[in-house]
Amino acid sequence: EAGVVQSPRYKIIEKKQPVAFWCNPISGHNTLYWYRQNLGQGPELLIRYENEEAVDDSQLPKDRFSAERLKGVDSTLKIQPAELGDSAVYLCASSSTRQGAYEQYFGPGTRLTVT
Amino acid sequence: GNSVTQMEGPVTLSEEAFLTINCTYTATGYPSLFWYVQYPGEGLQLLLKATKADDKGSNKGFEATYRKETTSFHLEKGSVQVSDSAVYFCALSTGNQFYFGTGTSLTVIP
Repeated sequence: EAGVVQSPRYKIIEKKQPVAFWCNPISGHNTLYWYRQNLGQGPELLIRYENEEAVDDSQLPKDRFSAERLKGVDSTLKIQPAELGDSAVYLCASSSTRQGAYEQYFGPGTRLTVT
Repeated sequence: GNSVTQMEGPVTLSEEAFLTINCTYTATGYPSLFWYVQYPGEGLQLLLKATKADDKGSNKGFEATYRKETTSFHLEKGSVQVSDSAVYFCALSTGNQFYFGTGTSLTVIP
């Protein structure tokens, strides 16, 4: 079974530039999560999707961050414009409520550096 | 609200030493509890889980017991190896919402 796929793995951009991250969850997983992980910290939820619906985006900085999950499968997270403080690892995870939603499976993450 | 508090690191142990990483939680209802491990440059991997009180999760020599009376889920291993060097995260879930601790970095030296 293929795991959660994320791309790119690394991204370096200058501040004020836009950036986008892509995630392909495990096949059949209806719940998709985007997290931000700062150095030395645990993951912090940005947004959670149930199928194509964003059911929890309370921690998403909506002035510059946006996300979409078309057709309830792949998802894209965008930052525009990026700020220095956005440097972090962005993790995507998925789970299946049909399996009791007890486990999340994480992708390798995208390490973003804003200069 | 829901939260997880983890023992702060970093932790440095010699190979074959005994490991304990403390984790306590606050939750409404009956959460599931997890330990995730993160190796350098990688995402989080599920290490073990427990879904109800008194359950013991185990994997790769690691163990943790869900203690409702002390709201704890401490991670233990009897004999650590160099390859266990990583960051360990305690987490809880209530349905589809997950809450992570800040992580404990473990370094095992030969």
